[in-house]
Amino acid sequence: KAGVTQTPRYLIKTRGQQVTLSCSPISGHRSVSWYQQTPGQGLQFLFEYFSETQRNKGNFPGRFSGRQFSNSRSEMNVSTLELGDSALYLCASSRDRGPADTQYFGPGTRLTVL
Amino acid sequence: SQQGEEDPQALSIQEGENATMNCSYKTSINNLQWYRQNSGRGLVHLILIRSNEREKHSGRLRVTLDTSKKSSSLLITASRAADTASYFCATDAPNQAGTALIFGKGTTLSVSS
Repeated sequence: KAGVTQTPRYLIKTRGQQVTLSCSPISGHRSVSWYQQTPGQGLQFLFEYFSETQRNKGNFPGRFSGRQFSNSRSEMNVSTLELGDSALYLCASSRDRGPADTQYFGPGTRLTVL
Repeated sequence: SQQGEEDPQALSIQEGENATMNCSYKTSINNLQWYRQNSGRGLVHLILIRSNEREKHSGRLRVTLDTSKKSSSLLITASRAADTASYFCATDAPNQAGTALIFGKGTTLSVSS
């Protein structure tokens, strides 16, 4: 069974630009979550989508947004990029059988903002 | 904000030795999970322990959970060089539906041969 895939793997943008990252979950998984990882703040939850609806949202500004499609694939968008948005963005999927469900992570997208 | 805090932040051991990492968290949880990350890559799920469990084993891994102390430990026995990685504990977000995880800052384990 294919794992979680994320595209692109690496991205370089300049301040003020916007970026869209894509995540394809494991087949049959309906929940997709996004996390930001930085050396200073560690791993932080961005948001979670389930059945095309945002179910949870972390403490990030409105410049960070996402969506989920009917096939469970998800995208996240960051507008008006700032230097501090440089990070590894990780996507995770799960079957969503409850709080004890395992999340499976993709390899991440490394975003560098210059 | 961080829910879990791992201790120690870094650990260096020789192959064959055991490695123990600890995690403390702040609020009530439904479950606690441990993940491994190699060199800034994706996270690999290691083990999940539910709040009503006290100990769980998976191969060379042993996880304990003490909900009264809000702490967990991960023991890796007979470490190998391939175990070199960062290890994170993660708890489910309290009072929230869905599957959001709150991660600690991790323990960096270095196993030398």
